[in-house]
Amino acid sequence: EVQLVESGGGLVKPGGSLKLSCAASGFTFSDYYMYWVRQTPEKRLEWVATISDGGSYTYYPDSVKGRFTISRDNAKNNLYLQMSSLKSEDTAMYYCARGGVNYFDYWGQGTTLTVSS
Amino acid sequence: EIVLTQSPTTMAASPGEKITITCSASSSISSNYLHWYQQKPGFSPKLLIYRTSNLASGVPARFSGSGSGTSYSLTIGTMEAEDVATYYCQQGSSIPRYTFGGGTKLEIK
Repeated sequence: EVQLVESGGGLVKPGGSLKLSCAASGFTFSDYYMYWVRQTPEKRLEWVATISDGGSYTYYPDSVKGRFTISRDNAKNNLYLQMSSLKSEDTAMYYCARGGVNYFDYWGQGTTLTVSS
Repeated sequence: EIVLTQSPTTMAASPGEKITITCSASSSISSNYLHWYQQKPGFSPKLLIYRTSNLASGVPARFSGSGSGTSYSLTIGTMEAEDVATYYCQQGSSIPRYTFGGGTKLEIK
């Protein structure tokens, strides 16, 4: 059974940093592209980051480029999202998702980030 | 960026009723790149339909998808109480800049 379990969310002040983690199991992690997708308090879904199966390629939307870094450890079956220079508009539920072919075939339960002073 | 617009944003249906949700793209996309998700209250999104019309594993046959170009739709043949959820379309055409529709909240009468 595919399982994705996120952790690391919390309350952070504007300008602060935080690192999210996602533990994957039930599939060959190193065979899949992985993603972070967030859901805003208004329930809008936004793609946040992509990493290739081997970790060599990463992609971000302009809204987080230069502030967020996605990475993975294929030996430990873990996905990460390092976030810095956080803004109030980054407040959201963050989901780790496995990549199908240009879609997201499995999602974790999410971890919440709140950016507030 | 391809913008996806869903309609309606909210709707209520009676058990047994047929419902249709539409997803309109700001530019034409291949049907291979349009997908649908279901998010039940309190849960994470779940893949429902991929590549316009293919049901994900375990999805009941009352769900179906169709469309092409800039116009796509999700249909529930007969509404059931367990279908109460928010439904999102997603495009994978502008790889890797994936975008989602704003969602359609489906309630039961």
